[in-house]
Amino acid sequence: GENVEQHPSTLSVQEGDSAVIKCTYSDSASNYFPWYKQELGKRPQLIIDIRSNVGEKKDQRIAVTLNKTAKHFSLHITETQPEDSAVYFCAADDKVIFGPGTSLSVIP
Amino acid sequence: ETGVTQTPRHLVMGMTNKKSLKCEQHLGHNAMYWYKQSAKKPLELMFVYSLEERVENNSVPSRFSPECPNSSHLFLHLHTLQPEDSALYLCASSQILTGVEQYFGPGTRLTVT
Repeated sequence: GENVEQHPSTLSVQEGDSAVIKCTYSDSASNYFPWYKQELGKRPQLIIDIRSNVGEKKDQRIAVTLNKTAKHFSLHITETQPEDSAVYFCAADDKVIFGPGTSLSVIP
Repeated sequence: ETGVTQTPRHLVMGMTNKKSLKCEQHLGHNAMYWYKQSAKKPLELMFVYSLEERVENNSVPSRFSPECPNSSHLFLHLHTLQPEDSALYLCASSQILTGVEQYFGPGTRLTVT
């Protein structure tokens, strides 16, 4: 079955710096890769997703890149702000397998 | 109410009790999910229902019993739980089974004493 790994498990950056979180997956049949953000005490919410026919997708300060050959995809957050502090989960669909999460702290 | 709702928000139960968690979605979605979130395994898929039929049972112990009477409601029946079952139980729904956004409920914080 699918296995999703995520690195790093914790990440601390200064406000204004960039943050990058990487995920790898095992099932080459997966073709949908969402990223969810979960703020403390709140529910996970989708922030960006990418499909296998696209290599990169951007939405303001966040972007996701996908390398299907290497079976990895990454979340990029530029100009980080304190409100970006949260746990970020990647996932590989079909089977909706989530990675273990990355706790991001943005230091003002 | 809009989106995905869950009741109760908090539940404390003894190991011999029987209780049920309820999830309701007001989005017209066809798929619903139960997840367990704990420190050990942040988002662990438990059950998946598509068009009211169970399509995934992710090796969950039989003390957890799901029920999906219609496409808007999902229940998780609990009995003879163990302390290690204490966790946040999240419900989610999506328009179709794969390849689309999942909408999560606020979760039920379960404590087993």
